[in-house]
Amino acid sequence: DAGVIQSPRHEVTEMGQEVTLRCKPISGHDYLFWYRQTMMRGLELLIYFNNNVPIDDSGMPEDRFSAKMPNASFSTLKIQPSEPRDSAVYFCASSLGWTGGYEQYFGPGTRLTVT
Amino acid sequence: EDKVVQSPLSLVVHEGDTVTLNCSYEVTNFRSLLWYKQEKKAPTFLFMLTSSGIEKKSGRLSSILDKKELSSILNITATQTGDSAIYLCAVGSSNTGKLIFGQGTTLQVKP
Repeated sequence: DAGVIQSPRHEVTEMGQEVTLRCKPISGHDYLFWYRQTMMRGLELLIYFNNNVPIDDSGMPEDRFSAKMPNASFSTLKIQPSEPRDSAVYFCASSLGWTGGYEQYFGPGTRLTVT
Repeated sequence: EDKVVQSPLSLVVHEGDTVTLNCSYEVTNFRSLLWYKQEKKAPTFLFMLTSSGIEKKSGRLSSILDKKELSSILNITATQTGDSAIYLCAVGSSNTGKLIFGQGTTLQVKP
């Protein structure tokens, strides 16, 4: 299996621009998660989906962030407009089964820099 | 509020040493505790511990869950430079379905 695939791997953009991060989960996995990692705050869950339906978005920092999962093999995380404090590594992860008791597999991450 | 705390935050040892990393948690409706290793990229899964599986071992790495003390340890024996990484502890809640991550322990193994 190819594992979780994310694109782009690196993104540099200017403040105010729209940013779209993409994720393809492991085939057959029914849970998909978006995380953000910074030195200050560590790894934070932003939102997660089960069978393409958003279950919990309480970690999304503000309305500038949105996520979609139009089908079982694709999800996007959009930031509009972007701000310098959004600079972080964004990970997508997927799992098979109820996340409380199943391991999550992480993608390689997208390193976002907003100048 | 659910939380996971790891200690120490950083550790420097020499090859061949044995290290013990700690993880304590306060999580509503505990379901599982997971250990991940993160080098310069994505976290990779090491172990998952649950009420039905409180001890795991793989090669030089082993982990134990103490549900009474709400904690876990990760042991690495005969450390190698390739063990240098951030080790993350995460706890799964059956209440929220989320994984709550600790801040990680940065391990550096010197030759």
